[in-house]
Amino acid sequence: ETGVTQTPRHLVMGMTNKKSLKCEQHLGHNAMYWYKQSAKKPLELMFVYSLEERVENNSVPSRFSPECPNSSHLFLHLHTLQPEDSALYLCASSQGLNVETQYFGPGTRLLVL
Amino acid sequence: GDSVTQMEGPVTLSEEAFLTINCTYTATGYPSLFWYVQYPGEGLQLLLKATKADDKGSNKGFEATYRKETTSFHLEKGSVQVSDSAVYFCALSFTGGGNKLTFGTGTQLKVEL
Repeated sequence: ETGVTQTPRHLVMGMTNKKSLKCEQHLGHNAMYWYKQSAKKPLELMFVYSLEERVENNSVPSRFSPECPNSSHLFLHLHTLQPEDSALYLCASSQGLNVETQYFGPGTRLLVL
Repeated sequence: GDSVTQMEGPVTLSEEAFLTINCTYTATGYPSLFWYVQYPGEGLQLLLKATKADDKGSNKGFEATYRKETTSFHLEKGSVQVSDSAVYFCALSFTGGGNKLTFGTGTQLKVEL
């Protein structure tokens, strides 16, 4: 595996479910990101981790809970989501907090029923 | 706040046609400017960038020139191919602003034979 991988690629969940999205990077980077991509809206930065510490939380509702156990893995735990949370969730990594080296994963397409 | 505005899509072109995707920005100061491309089923990839006024970024036949006077960074390609069909995102970032990319909403390009 190379680059940034995300699993699952597609997820359908009910509003009362608990699920987790997983991201893994094989690039030796030390910063990881979660973005939300909704139709006809700009990408929204949700969370940033640098050296496994959260450095950014852009007013994201508490029903989204990130976890970064090490520099290669990033999770997004989902609980009691709403239909408007349906979107493509993209993970990215970079070497340091340097946007020019940011590499993106293919995303997880989430549908909340 | 900072923002990026892109022309709405989809843009549909015949193969070998000339492509322009408009991008303008609003920012206090002089950001770095980027174009990202997202092929179907994949994550975003950095296509090209420019870090100061009058710089021209280029890659894979695509070009964009940083125009401070018009606060624009329009993407151009002289002859598109079917394989260029994707969504194109314009974005900005500030040096020292660390991790933050501000994206436009994306423009879908469809190239037909």
